[in-house]
Amino acid sequence: EDQVTQSPEALRLQEGESSSLNCSYTVSGLRGLFWYRQDPGKGPEFLFTLYSAGEEKEKERLKATLTKKESFLHITAPKPEDSATYLCAVQETSGSRLTFGEGTQLTVNP
Amino acid sequence: GAVVSQHPSRVICKSGTSVKIECRSLDFQATTMFWYRQFPKQSLMLMATSNEGSKATYEQGVEKDKFLINHASLTLSTLTVTSAHPEDSSFYICSARDSRYGYTFGSGTRLTVV
Repeated sequence: EDQVTQSPEALRLQEGESSSLNCSYTVSGLRGLFWYRQDPGKGPEFLFTLYSAGEEKEKERLKATLTKKESFLHITAPKPEDSATYLCAVQETSGSRLTFGEGTQLTVNP
Repeated sequence: GAVVSQHPSRVICKSGTSVKIECRSLDFQATTMFWYRQFPKQSLMLMATSNEGSKATYEQGVEKDKFLINHASLTLSTLTVTSAHPEDSSFYICSARDSRYGYTFGSGTRLTVV
């Protein structure tokens, strides 16, 4: 059974204070690992898809990396508008469903 | 980019009544649609997967007679919560998948059963 574990559960940063969120996963075969951002009362908003170990993707202040066991979402010089819950999900090679982690609730204080 | 429209965004209904939630892919055809349920401060739990024109596949523990899913076209899926009770109150989210855009999520529906 696929397992996705995110840490920390919650993270408070000062504006400009860079940090990383972790997503550890266990799947029989990885087709893709997804990062989403979710604001309160909204659906998840797509950020990145990573397909193979060593892959990296960047978008503004965010950078996602992938190894065979985990993924990191690095946030550089965050701003208050980056405050949200960040969700990680995996899709295994044999199916189309996504398995989500519990998320990391990020708060960036001005 | 891809857009998935989900309606209504909020609904309050009386215990024992049924509620229908619509999920539409606006600018693409979705080969597969997914329905999730999310409790406060928890992650998304997959309820069911549906392909156009075929019966939905429900996750273990999800009552298919209570949560009716219809996927009549490549752009529309509906979730009907039948005989709703307060414990069905939750945030329901749909997702549509296609080969170009991957997985796109709707904005969610907050259901409150009183």
